Amino acid sequence: DAKTTQPNSMESNEEEPVHLPCNHSTISGTDYIHWYRQLPSQGPEYVIHGLTSNVNNRMASLAIAEDRKSSTLILHRATLRDAAVYYCIQSGGTSYGKLTFGQGTILTVHP
Amino acid sequence: GAVVSQHPSWVICKSGTSVKIECRSLDFQATTMFWYRQFPKQSLMLMATSNEGSKATYEQGVEKDKFLINHASLTLSTLTVTSAHPEDSSFYICSPQGSRYEQYFGPGTRLTVT
Repeated sequence: DAKTTQPNSMESNEEEPVHLPCNHSTISGTDYIHWYRQLPSQGPEYVIHGLTSNVNNRMASLAIAEDRKSSTLILHRATLRDAAVYYCIQSGGTSYGKLTFGQGTILTVHP
Repeated sequence: GAVVSQHPSWVICKSGTSVKIECRSLDFQATTMFWYRQFPKQSLMLMATSNEGSKATYEQGVEKDKFLINHASLTLSTLTVTSAHPEDSSFYICSPQGSRYEQYFGPGTRLTVT
């Protein structure tokens, strides 16, 4: 079973910021928080990952709560190409790499 | 990100035949390979994990004699679906992991068994 919970779907308008929430209340001290996204009929694409501190990269930002029980993926300016299923995954320790995918959040971006 | 290829990208086979899916990590060495499958409108489910040169470890409910995994080199892994049946129709995705735990996903292979 997936250890994270995410909203089933979210909508956004193009060029607006999007905040995708994720709860991971059972996270342990060695678990990383990973975000992947998947377009229809494609393999997942890495977005970002973090442990404790907020992280930024070209694609997105990851804001991690101080207690690490939740996080938010931030797309600063959504484009139509960002429409995808976004998966938040906690993984670490001896199971690092064995990613357990939940149902994810379906992000719809309106032009 | 790293380049991962899968071949074929889609395949249709008859029930009872075997199908081999190749996964190549083109610009890094995959010390560990994960194989996932995804049924329509469902999420990815891990099938098995293999380390280069070792036998694969299968998740509960995945038949090791039906889904043969070979990870003979650091850049190539294969998944063979033996005696395929319609219920094996799915989207199969490999996920190579490098020595520094960097992990990527292949583009997937759509298998349809008729």
